[in-house]
Amino acid sequence: QKEVEQDPGPLSVPEGAIVSLNCTYSNSAFQYFMWYRQYSRKGPELLMYTYSSGNKEDGRFTAQVDKSSKYISLFIRDSQPSDSATYLCAMLDDKIIFGKGTRLHILP
Amino acid sequence: EAQVTQNPRYLITVTGKKLTVTCSQNMNHEYMSWYRQDPGLGLRQIYYSMNVEVTDKGDVPEGYKVSRKEKRNFPLILESPSPNQTSLYFCASGNLYGGYTFGSGTRLTVV
Repeated sequence: QKEVEQDPGPLSVPEGAIVSLNCTYSNSAFQYFMWYRQYSRKGPELLMYTYSSGNKEDGRFTAQVDKSSKYISLFIRDSQPSDSATYLCAMLDDKIIFGKGTRLHILP
Repeated sequence: EAQVTQNPRYLITVTGKKLTVTCSQNMNHEYMSWYRQDPGLGLRQIYYSMNVEVTDKGDVPEGYKVSRKEKRNFPLILESPSPNQTSLYFCASGNLYGGYTFGSGTRLTVV
């Protein structure tokens, strides 16, 4: 079983919709969870991070961690075409382990 | 501006011709790392460095070398490139809890 699983997509949603991006993981020792956003032809950039379980909100973005289910989510409210990108989840063990990314398209 | 600078952005080379991809950061980070990104495989770590003169293998180190003689620079060396090293390469610096800052990438094609 891979350590971090992420649906590659692509995921296409209409502008203004709520987007839900998810990752599952197998290592219960993970405590620190991150989401990176990668635009085409650019390097990934850190979007949000959370420590342990719970929710964290930043503007239109909410990161959620459910350690009991080994499941993390990123919600994007009022999605915009500028949110079209690949979103990578990442988790910290003794190094950062990245998911393979989900391609998101927001349709105008 | 805090950034990681990679050069070149694009490179086409022939099999066996040694090349170096440079990486420089201006954030005084101790930790630096190289990744390659391939479709369907995601980001895979090649080498990383915890500090000057300290380097370690990542998940896919074969065919690559690195050096860390100064804190700000972390070049990636391909002594004898092969077509299976055609990929998109990213340098990153940062710390585990603060996250990484990535460079803009180097698209390498080996023919």
